[in-house]
Amino acid sequence: GENVEQHPSTLSVQEGDSAVIKCTYSDSASNYFPWYKQELGKRPQLIIDIRSNVGEKKDQRIAVTLNKTAKHFSLHITETQPEDSAVYFCAANSLGVTGGGNKLTFGTGTQLKVEL
Amino acid sequence: GAVVSQHPSWVICKSGTSVKIECRSLDFQATTMFWYRQFPKQSLMLMATSNEGSKATYEQGVEKDKFLINHASLTLSTLTVTSAHPEDSSFYICSVPLRLADTQYFGPGTRLTVL
Repeated sequence: GENVEQHPSTLSVQEGDSAVIKCTYSDSASNYFPWYKQELGKRPQLIIDIRSNVGEKKDQRIAVTLNKTAKHFSLHITETQPEDSAVYFCAANSLGVTGGGNKLTFGTGTQLKVEL
Repeated sequence: GAVVSQHPSWVICKSGTSVKIECRSLDFQATTMFWYRQFPKQSLMLMATSNEGSKATYEQGVEKDKFLINHASLTLSTLTVTSAHPEDSSFYICSVPLRLADTQYFGPGTRLTVL
């Protein structure tokens, strides 16, 4: 099955700096890569996603890049703000693949702390 | 995105009792729902796929007789933790995909504490 690794496990940045979180996946059939933000005790919230036919996607201060050859994808947050502090999870999903079952495999999470 | 609710939001029970958690898709019909478990400071682990009108599909290592899943309608899936023990204490979250080729939207989660 799919295995997703995520680094770093914790990340502290100063307000206004950029933050980068990296993930690798093992299953070449995976074709959809969402990123979720989870605040303490709350549900994971989708913040951005990318499909395998695209190399980069941006939404305001958030961007995601995908390297299919190397099987890794990254989340970039620019101009970080204190409210960006949360746990971020990457995930990989095989969509529309026979037997893939549309399952999400999550990374281990990154605790991002944005300090004033 | 989809609107997904869960009930209850938290529950405390004695060891040996059974607890039922409901997951509802409020604004569209879902033939598939997913159940995850999340221990403190850990990632989300898929427990099972709930299929409307048929048996759930369980992930390896998840006891199907302990975690009973019923998906009786296109808007409701239930997870029953039978004979709960303290090690079952966790955050249980359901998710619903809008379409096969689409992302999953999560319910607010249920915090289960077994004494």
